[in-house]
This record gives sequence, structure tokens and C-alpha cells, in this order.
Amino acid sequence: ELKVEQNPLFLSMQEGKNYTIYCNYSTTSDRLYWYRQDPGKSLESLFVLLSNGAVKQEGRLMASLDTKARLSTLHITAAVHDLSATYFCAVDNRNSGNTPLVFGKGTRLSVIA
Amino acid sequence: DGGITQSPKYLFRKEGQNVTLSCEQNLNHDAMYWYRQDPGQGLRLIYYSQIVNDFQKGDIAEGYSVSREKKESFPLTVTSAQKNPTAFYLCASSMAFRYSGYTFGSGTRLTVV
Repeated sequence: ELKVEQNPLFLSMQEGKNYTIYCNYSTTSDRLYWYRQDPGKSLESLFVLLSNGAVKQEGRLMASLDTKARLSTLHITAAVHDLSATYFCAVDNRNSGNTPLVFGKGTRLSVIA
Repeated sequence: DGGITQSPKYLFRKEGQNVTLSCEQNLNHDAMYWYRQDPGQGLRLIYYSQIVNDFQKGDIAEGYSVSREKKESFPLTVTSAQKNPTAFYLCASSMAFRYSGYTFGSGTRLTVV
């Protein structure tokens, strides 16, 4: 059974600082997705990582995938208040057919002045 | 524009009542999913459907029912057997091969009164 672990689950960081959110998963996969959720809102797609070594960047966020380590990271550079949200990773377990994505529990990020 | 529409945005249910949440997509996606999210929590899978006239239970299917009579539509009924239905419900859809992950609807917030 595929398990997905995110850490930390809660993160309070100062504006201007850098930090990394980690997403570990338990079985082989080469597809991983990052989503953002603002309070009271739905999930919005951030990054789609479809191969080992994939790296995607959008503004102050950069995501990478290491399929050998079964690890994805979401790096935040020079955080600003607008990045405050909950971030979810989700892993595609293609080895078990077309079963649903497995989501991590989410990392609630709060950027403070 | 293509998208996935959930309605209503807010729904109030009396004790012992069944209510139906609507989810419609015009993305020509094959698969559709229903998730429940409780405050401060992650996503829990209720039901999913890969093709028309077929659906599978997720992790918390008890007290819920679905149908998939059309590719575009995947309504969720919250029955009176669901004892604690107050939550945020999210519908999602994806292509069969999921190269872009899921597209989420805007959600329905259900409250028992």
C-alpha cells in the first residue's frame, strides 16, 4: 500500500527566509503532483513532476522529484505573506493500475512579518 | 472554458435528511472522484469512478452513495446514515492517464442544522 508523508505538517516562517517542505512516499512512482489550498478554498495545481530528476519552478517556489529516494521537495525562496496556504503533495501509484492519487496530509504554511 | 463545477456552494441539511451534491465537468475527463475534508485535515476519498456506469468505494464510503450515468456528471448523495456529515466536499476529475493530475471543483460546504 502506498503511503505518502509530508513534513513538516505546520510551518511558520518569517518573510524573506528560505525553507523546504518534504514529501516522502513508500513505493516506486515517477509521478508526483503539488497542490496549494487557500483557507476555505479548493485545491489548485502547482506542479506536475513526471520523471526522475524533474524540476519545476514558479516564482518563489521550486519543486523537484528524486524517484530513487522516493522524495519530492518544495523549496520556498524569500517567503512572502502571499505564500501562506496549505500545500499538498500527491503520488500516482501506477503499479496498482489506475487507482486514485494518494495525498499527503498537507503542510500548513504561515509566513509572518 | 473547460472546468469542473460543484453546486451548491453551501448546503444545510436537517437531521435524517438525504442531500445530493452536484459535480459536472466539461473537460472530457474519464475519471471522477469525491473527497471529504474536515477542518484542518487532509483529503479523504469517498468514491471514485473510472468509467460511466462503474464506481468504487474509497476509504470512507459508508453513509454516501454515487452514480455515474453520464461521463460529465458524478453526483454524491449524503444519506441519513452518515452521522457526521458536516465537512467540505471536493469533487475532482482526471484523464485516464493523469499526466496533469486532478482538476478540482470549487467545493461544497455541508452543514447539519
